[in-house]
Amino acid sequence: DTGVSQDPRHKITKRGQNVTFRCDPISEHNRLYWYRQTLGQGPEFLTYFQNEAQLEKSRLLSDRFSAERPKGSFSTLEIQRTEQGDSAMYLCASPTGSSYNEQFFGPGTRLTVL
Amino acid sequence: SQELEQSPQSLIVQEGKNLTINCTSSKTLYGLYWYKQKYGEGLIFLMMLQKGGEEKSHEKITAKLDEKKQQSSLHITASQPSHAGIYLCGADLGGSQGNLIFGKGTKLSVKP
Repeated sequence: DTGVSQDPRHKITKRGQNVTFRCDPISEHNRLYWYRQTLGQGPEFLTYFQNEAQLEKSRLLSDRFSAERPKGSFSTLEIQRTEQGDSAMYLCASPTGSSYNEQFFGPGTRLTVL
Repeated sequence: SQELEQSPQSLIVQEGKNLTINCTSSKTLYGLYWYKQKYGEGLIFLMMLQKGGEEKSHEKITAKLDEKKQQSSLHITASQPSHAGIYLCGADLGGSQGNLIFGKGTKLSVKP
């Protein structure tokens, strides 16, 4: 157990529906990262937060994706009008260390879009 | 092209055998991180290497960083079925946002 939790662990949805995932990082960690991992690939960076501020978004994050971290603690990732290509594992990471790259990952949310 | 290349892509070894997984970067490495992932689960942090020539060990797993070659290797001694999984290397390539760039992973199977 890394201390990072994600909910739900699995989500099956129909194309066109909206979905929302939640990440609870290690408490007092002020940064939080979201990654996406498709089958046979390593995780790819989506976005990150410093406290409640979203500081960077990857070009992978289309307009249908939105992420929030309203109180600088938990974060949510919403996908609107899901497409089959959104099927992936969505991972949240809670980093520590002086350069924030000792990253502890949650168990992930596996999304399947039918 | 992939910034981090891992080899081999998959590996099947007999229990008790040693094995090595390699990770090569096309860019300067500012830090190299090894993770293990079981299918359908999150990443488990194994080791972090930051200095050229650095070598770290945990139980039967040893990782080394060759800064000149921009390469790291992960060596498992006397493999066990519990070592099976996907091994991922992640790198800090100096980006301002601090995220890691990952290789595609090496799938390890250990036959009892």
